[in-house]
This record gives sequence, structure tokens and C-alpha cells, in this order.
Amino acid sequence: SQTIHQWPATLVQPVGSPLSLECTVEGTSNPNLYWYRQAAGRGLQLLFYSVGIGQISSEVPQNLSASRPQDRQFILSSKKLLLSDSGFYLCAWSVDPSEKTGELFFGEGSRLTVL
Amino acid sequence: AQTVTQSQPEMSVQEAETVTLSCTYDTSESDYYLFWYKQPPSRQMILVIRQEAYKQQNATENRFSVNFQKAAKSFSLKISDSQLGDAAMYFCAYRSALAGTALIFGKGTTLSVSS
Repeated sequence: SQTIHQWPATLVQPVGSPLSLECTVEGTSNPNLYWYRQAAGRGLQLLFYSVGIGQISSEVPQNLSASRPQDRQFILSSKKLLLSDSGFYLCAWSVDPSEKTGELFFGEGSRLTVL
Repeated sequence: AQTVTQSQPEMSVQEAETVTLSCTYDTSESDYYLFWYKQPPSRQMILVIRQEAYKQQNATENRFSVNFQKAAKSFSLKISDSQLGDAAMYFCAYRSALAGTALIFGKGTTLSVSS
């Protein structure tokens, strides 16, 4: 069966420090991968999605970046964190919608607090 | 661009009663998916129910059912026989059937269940 893991689960970082959140998927190949952010009291905002290795689409211009060095690995990074980067980050995967399922499967999430 | 609107930030229901959560969306596409996700205090996103736009029949999953009105672009979730474990934030989401697209979420409805 397919599983998705992301880490770390909790992170407290000072302003201006770098960030690296990692997500891996097991049990499937060539998944679509996504990073979402959920700020306090708000919905889920799509940050990045990837349909293949090295293919990243950015939805929101900001100081975050994403990379997909391997088929089932998706990394969210920042060189210098801002206070506004605090939030709950969720990685997700899906098969192509043409498979007629459409849903996303989410990881456990990473809570980032920037001080 | 597609949008998803949940007009009820908070709802409450008593155990064993029925509650309906509202969702409207805007799209010019004819083929898409609609979802309801549940996010309990653990923050794990859990798929509750899925509806394919080409299907006229409303989806049902045990105590959960939807009222899908394609012409009105409305997709409400009905929870019957509410249980304490149903307390969570509920998100309505839209996804195009086109390849390489992501879920677009509403801002969520917090459901509380009282005994």
C-alpha cells in the first residue's frame, strides 16, 4: 500500500535561518506531489506542485522553493525564513486525474514556528 | 480561476442529530472532482467523500452524503447521526480533471458536536 511521510513534525526556527522540510512517498511511482501551507485559522494554500522529477510549478511568489530530486521525494526549502512563514505545512500526493480517482493523500504535516 | 467558498466558519450539532455543511464553487470546466476532507485536532487530512462531476447520483459513504447540484455549483455535506468523533474542521475542495492540477480548498468549517 502507498504511504507518505514528512519530517520533521515540529520545527522552531529563528528569523533568517534556513529551512528544509522533506516528504517521501512509498508504494507508487511517478506520483504528482504537492506542498500546501495552512496558516492559523485559514484554509490550505497551494505552494508548489510537481508532476515529475525536476518539474516544479509555483503557485505563490515568496521566499520558499521546492525541489524534486527523486521520483518520490519532494523538498520544501527556504534560505532565510520570515515570521510570516510560520504555519502548518502539508505534503500530498496523487495519481494523475486521468486515473479517475482525483483525490490527494496527505502526510502528517510539519508545524513550523518562526521566532 | 476556480474558487471554492464555504460560507459557514463554524457549525454545531448535537449527538445523533443531522447537520449540513455548505459549499459553493466557481468553474468554467465541465469535468472535475469535488471532495470533502476532515481535519481533526491531530491535523491529519482525511478524505470523507468524493464526487465526480459527470455522475448525477449523489455520493454516499455511511453516515456522510452529499447534495451535488451541478448547475447551481453547490456541493453540501450532510452528516447523519452525528458522533463526538465527527468534531473537526471540514474542507470542501475542487479539482479539475485535467492532468497536473491540484486541489483548491475552501477556508473550512469548524464543526463542534455536543453530547
